[in-house]
Parts: sequence; structure tokens; C-alpha cells
Amino acid sequence: QVQLVESGGGLVKPGGSLRLSCAASGFTFSDYYMTWIRQAPGKGLEWVSYISSSSGYTNYADSVKGRFTISRDNAKNSLYLQMNSLRAEDTAVYYCARVWREAGYFDYWGQGTLVTVSS
Amino acid sequence: EIVLTQSPATLSLSPGERATLSCRASQSVSNYLAWYQQKPGQAPGLLIYDASNRATGIPARFSGSGSGTDFTLTISSLEPEDFAVYFCQQRSNWPRALTFGGGTKVEIK
Repeated sequence: QVQLVESGGGLVKPGGSLRLSCAASGFTFSDYYMTWIRQAPGKGLEWVSYISSSSGYTNYADSVKGRFTISRDNAKNSLYLQMNSLRAEDTAVYYCARVWREAGYFDYWGQGTLVTVSS
Repeated sequence: EIVLTQSPATLSLSPGERATLSCRASQSVSNYLAWYQQKPGQAPGLLIYDASNRATGIPARFSGSGSGTDFTLTISSLEPEDFAVYFCQQRSNWPRALTFGGGTKVEIK
């Protein structure tokens, strides 16, 4: 069955960096676009970034553009999010999700990893 | 940015009752709208895509309708496991951007 398992979250000071990972299994990872979506505590969902199946295309929400970098390693079935210059407002649970049919909907999600930005 | 406004914020109903959730877009998104269900402590799950199509394995009591700027998710008869938060999401300008609504919590009355 499809599984997505995030890791790498934790407590970081403002201005710091963190790298999130998402390990995928149960499907042909290299066939799918992937995305990161976040949810601040008690709040709604915010799309963060996506990457195409071959890494040829990426895009970012304006709120993270220039600070976050999405990447993937299809040989390792893994998705990454490098987060730099972190701010308090980046505090959230970060989910990786599979993009359904490249259509901009998300059919499988991981359980999320919590990132807390605080001094 | 297209803003999605969901109403009501909270819906208090009893099992067996009908739930009607609304999602309004600040500009037309055609039929490029999805609904997700999120239970406490869990990741969201896809219910409906392209406004009215049920995702794989979703029971027939869930239905979606609408186009343009006004959309509705209907749960015909609430089961105990349906009490959760529901989000709408538009992808009309994917992959440049997409947005989610603020959510509607369906709680037990």
C-alpha cells in the first residue's frame, strides 16, 4: 500500500535551517509529481511547493519563495524540503503528499512532521 | 490569489442528519475544486475531485456539486465516522498556485 513517511522536523531558532525528508513506498515514486503542504497549529492548510516527476519543474508559494527548496531522489524514493531563513510563521505540521494524475489534487498524504520556529 | 471561503465554520448535527457545506471562490475556478476530510490527529484524505467526482473508495453518501464560484459538499446521512473537519481546495491555476479554504468542522450535536 502507498506510504509516505516524513521526518526531520523539530525546534529551530528564527533564521535557522531545517531539512525535511519524505520516504515513499508502495508505488512507482518516479511516476508522480509530489508536493509539500503545511498546517499551522489549529489552522487551515497551505500549499508550500511541488516538484514534477523528473525534477524538471518546481514551484513555490509566495510565502516561502527564495527560502525553501524542494528536491527529490527517485533512486531513493525520497522527497525533500530544505528550509532556510525560518520564521515564526513557518511553524506548522508539514505534510508530503502525492499529486493525483498531475492534476493538482492530492490522493495520499503522510502523517506529517512538526516544525517549530521559536527562540 | 483565489480565496476560498467556507461556511459555516462549524456545523452541529446528529448522526443520520444531512450535512450541507459551502465553499465560495473569489473568482471562477471552473470545476477545479476538491474536498478533503481531516479527522483529529490525522492527515487529510481526498473525498471529491473536479467538484463532483468521488475519489476511490469514498461512500456514496458524500456528494459534491457546483461550478464557477459556488460549491457544495453534501453528506446525505451522517455516520459517526463523518464528524471531522472538511476543507475545499481549488487548482484552477495549477501548477502555478493553488489554495485551500479555511475548513468547516462538522461536530456532534
